[in-house]
Amino acid sequence: EVQLVESGGALVQPGGSLRLSCAASGFTFSSYWMGWVRQAPGKGLEWVANIKEDESDKKYVGSVKGRFTISRDNAKSSLYLQMNSLRADDTAVYYCAKLAYSGSWFFQHWGQGTLVAVSS
Amino acid sequence: DIQMTQSPSSLSASVGDRLTITCRASQTISNSLTWYQQKPGKAPMLLIYTAYILQSGVPSRFSGSASGTDFTLTISSLQPEDFATYYCQQSYSTPWTFGQGTKVEIK
Repeated sequence: EVQLVESGGALVQPGGSLRLSCAASGFTFSSYWMGWVRQAPGKGLEWVANIKEDESDKKYVGSVKGRFTISRDNAKSSLYLQMNSLRADDTAVYYCAKLAYSGSWFFQHWGQGTLVAVSS
Repeated sequence: DIQMTQSPSSLSASVGDRLTITCRASQTISNSLTWYQQKPGKAPMLLIYTAYILQSGVPSRFSGSASGTDFTLTISSLQPEDFATYYCQQSYSTPWTFGQGTKVEIK
């Protein structure tokens, strides 16, 4: 059974930093693209970033480029999101997700999410 | 960026109703369209990918279709567990974008 467990969410001040982690199990982590999706309180879903199996390709939504960095450690089956220069509009539940491809890309499995709150 | 416009934003329906939710892309996305279901306080769950392929384990009352830049999610006979918010998402080009969601409530 695929399991994705996020951690690291917290209350942080504007301008601060935070590192989210996602522990994966139940599948061969090193064989899959992974991604982060976020959801502000009471709002819809927003794609944040994706990373290729070997970290050779990373993609970001424009609003986080230069501030967030997605990375992974295949030996530890873990995905990370380093978030710097945090702003109030980064407040959201952050979901880790496993990607799959079958004619198109889609998020096949999701973690339960971790809450990041940016406030003074 | 590709804009995904869902309609309606919300609706009230009864158990047994046939339901249709539409998602329109602002430009061509081929069949790179996914549908997710999200219940309050829970993570989204994959329903349909590549516009019309049902994810394993998802009930057959869910179906998807496509016509140009218009995509449709249909629930043939609404069940109590289907009351949730539904999102479409395009993966044709980055940034990947979601529709604003359709909340399905009990009438």
